[in-house]
Amino acid sequence: EAQVTQNPRYLITVTGKKLTVTCSQNMNHEYMSWYRQDPGLGLRQIYYSMNVEVTDKGDVPEGYKVSRKEKRNFPLILESPSPNQTSLYFCASAGVRFSGANVLTFGAGSRLTVL
Amino acid sequence: QKEVEQDPGPLSVPEGAIVSLNCTYSNSAFQYFMWYRQYSRKGPELLMYTYSSGNKEDGRFTAQVDKSSKYISLFIRDSQPSDSATYLCAMSGSGGGADGLTFGKGTHLIIQP
Repeated sequence: EAQVTQNPRYLITVTGKKLTVTCSQNMNHEYMSWYRQDPGLGLRQIYYSMNVEVTDKGDVPEGYKVSRKEKRNFPLILESPSPNQTSLYFCASAGVRFSGANVLTFGAGSRLTVL
Repeated sequence: QKEVEQDPGPLSVPEGAIVSLNCTYSNSAFQYFMWYRQYSRKGPELLMYTYSSGNKEDGRFTAQVDKSSKYISLFIRDSQPSDSATYLCAMSGSGGGADGLTFGKGTHLIIQP
């Protein structure tokens, strides 16, 4: 089944304890992206990657790192999590372009709580 | 400027009703317009896609784009309880969203059986 898989789905951690949210896609997509979703703010892009070893900042990159060493994986790293990073995180990938636009396939989400 | 306005709802209608969901935007550079549906505890999934102005129909769903008014709509005919979800509009400029889509905050739709 074609999908984007994120882990963990749920995580409670404490301020300052480094964590990584993994993302893997099995569709051979070149484009991958991370979004966070917050009540009243909607979905906002954190980082994206056009291909292996190519990453760029989105709208809210502060406090996050990413890497793209392999085509299928795009982990999101929080070096020193803070409570304002409590959110629902989505990884997405895109391979199909309709008339030139990316069509995103989203993972199921990772709910992160930072105490 | 990236800004998309969408009424968060909740919007509650009886089964079988026609539903109208709307977004307005301010950036005239937007060229690609999409609707995503998000069920509770799930990721968004693409529902409809439109390039530039015009209408597009897919089964019970119709997407409309009026670029002159900077207004897009999604109509759902013969609404079903399974249509209960949050509907997100999304749009991007001529780059096709390579630097990210701009999403509305979503409208929570409830179809009452």
